[in-house]
Amino acid sequence: QLQLHQSGPGLVRPSETLPLTCTVSGASIYNSGYFWNLIRQSPGKGLEWIGHIPNSGAIAYNPSLKSRVTISVDSSKNQFSLRLSSVTAADTAVYYCVVYFGEPLRDFWAQGTLVTVSS
Amino acid sequence: EVVLTQSPATLSLSPGERATLSCRASQSVDYNHIAWYQQKPGQPPKLLVYRASSRAYGIPDRFSGSGSGTEFTLTISRLEPEDFAVYYCQQYGTFLPYTFGQGTRLEIQ
Repeated sequence: QLQLHQSGPGLVRPSETLPLTCTVSGASIYNSGYFWNLIRQSPGKGLEWIGHIPNSGAIAYNPSLKSRVTISVDSSKNQFSLRLSSVTAADTAVYYCVVYFGEPLRDFWAQGTLVTVSS
Repeated sequence: EVVLTQSPATLSLSPGERATLSCRASQSVDYNHIAWYQQKPGQPPKLLVYRASSRAYGIPDRFSGSGSGTEFTLTISRLEPEDFAVYYCQQYGTFLPYTFGQGTRLEIQ
C-alpha cells in the first residue's frame, strides 16, 4: 500500500533555506508510471506547482522558482527532497508531496506541511 | 506561462441541481492536458478529471469534464451534499510551468 510521508520545519527564517523531505513506502521512486511532484498552496498565490521527477529525463522546475529550488532523489532511502533557498514571507505556504500513477490516473497527497517564513 | 481563469468565482446551487464550472486558458493547452480537482476545508486537493475528460480512479460518474483548446468545463450532473467544495483546474501541457486556476467555490444555496 502506497504511503507518502513528508517532514520539514514549520518555521524558517527569512533568507534561509527551506528543506522538505518526502519518504515513499509501498512503491519505488523509480517505478515506471509514477510521477512525483511538489506543490504548494498559499492564501495569496493559490496552488503553485514547484517541480516534478519524471520517469526519464531531467527533473523539471517551475521557472519562477528555478533559481532557488533544488529537487533531489535519494534512492537508498526511497525519498525525494526539496530545498528552497533565500526564502521570504512570500514562500509561506502549505507544501505538499504528491504522486500520480495508474490508469485511470489517481493521485496521492502527503499530509502537507505548513511552512511559515518569519524571523 | 499559461494563465487559467475560472468562472464563476462562486456558484450557489442546491443538492440535486446541475453544476457547470468553466476554465479558460490564455493559450491552447497541448493534448488537452487539463485536470480538475476538488478541495474540502483542511484537506489537500483531490484529482477528479484528467486529460480534460477522463475520470480519475474512483470518481463517481456524476462528474464529467469536456472541452478542448482554451475552453474547458467540469459538470456535476446532480449535486450531492458532499460535492460542495472548491474546484480547481490545472494545465499540464508541453510548456512549463504547470499552472492552476484560482478556483470556483461551490456553495449550498
